[in-house]
Amino acid sequence: NAGVTQTPKFRVLKTGQSMTLLCAQDMNHEYMYWYRQDPGMGLRLIHYSVGEGTTAKGEVPDGYNVSRLKKQNFLLGLESAAPSQTSVYFCATGTGSRNNYGYTFGSGTRLTVV
Amino acid sequence: AQSVTQLDSQVPVFEEAPVELRCNYSSSVSVYLFWYVQYPNQGLQLLLKYLSGSTLVKGINGFEAEFNKSQTSFHLRKPSVHISDTAEYFCAVTVNTGGFKTIFGAGTRLFVKA
Repeated sequence: NAGVTQTPKFRVLKTGQSMTLLCAQDMNHEYMYWYRQDPGMGLRLIHYSVGEGTTAKGEVPDGYNVSRLKKQNFLLGLESAAPSQTSVYFCATGTGSRNNYGYTFGSGTRLTVV
Repeated sequence: AQSVTQLDSQVPVFEEAPVELRCNYSSSVSVYLFWYVQYPNQGLQLLLKYLSGSTLVKGINGFEAEFNKSQTSFHLRKPSVHISDTAEYFCAVTVNTGGFKTIFGAGTRLFVKA
C-alpha cells in the first residue's frame, strides 16, 4: 500500500521554466491538498480539491495551477517558475465525514528555482 | 480569524527527560485538533488527534496530548523522550467556517540530547 506518492522528489528549475508535480494516492480519499513548507512558516495551503473534477484556491495560490481529472491524482503546475517558489512541496489527502480524520502526507518534492 | 500558535520554536531536552510542546489556538467555533511529526527529509505523520470525548488523547510512540477548552490549548507531552524523537512537531486545527479548513502551526523542533 503506497499511500501518497509524489513525483519528482527533487528538481532544479531555471527562472521562467515550467513544471508539473504529480501526487497520486491509492486510499480512495476525497480530499487532496498541496502545501508548501518554508523555514519558520509551517505549512501554507496552495490549492485543494474536495473531489474529482473540483479545485479551489488556498492561502497562497498565485503562480500555481492545479487539476484533478481523476480521483487518485492531483497535479500542481508552475507555469513560469520564480525564485520565490523555491520550497518543499507536500501533497496530502484527507478523509472523514467532516474531513476530520487527519491527513496523510507524501514525502515531499524539494524544488529549487535559480 | 482562526490561528494556531506553537509557543516554542525549539525545545532541547536530554534523553529520558519529560517534554511538553505547547500549542494554543484561537477559534470561536468547535475544532478538531491534531499533532503531526516530521522526521528529517520526510513528510508529516499523524501523531494523535482530538475529535470529541475524553480530553486526554494518546498517540503513537508514547505521546499524549490534553485538550483544554477554557485555555484553548492542546499541549503535547511525553514522560521520557528518546534520541529517536528528535524531529519537528506541528500542531493543527480543523474548523468549520462554511467548509472545513485546517490551519497548521509554525512547528516546534524537538532536539533530544544524549
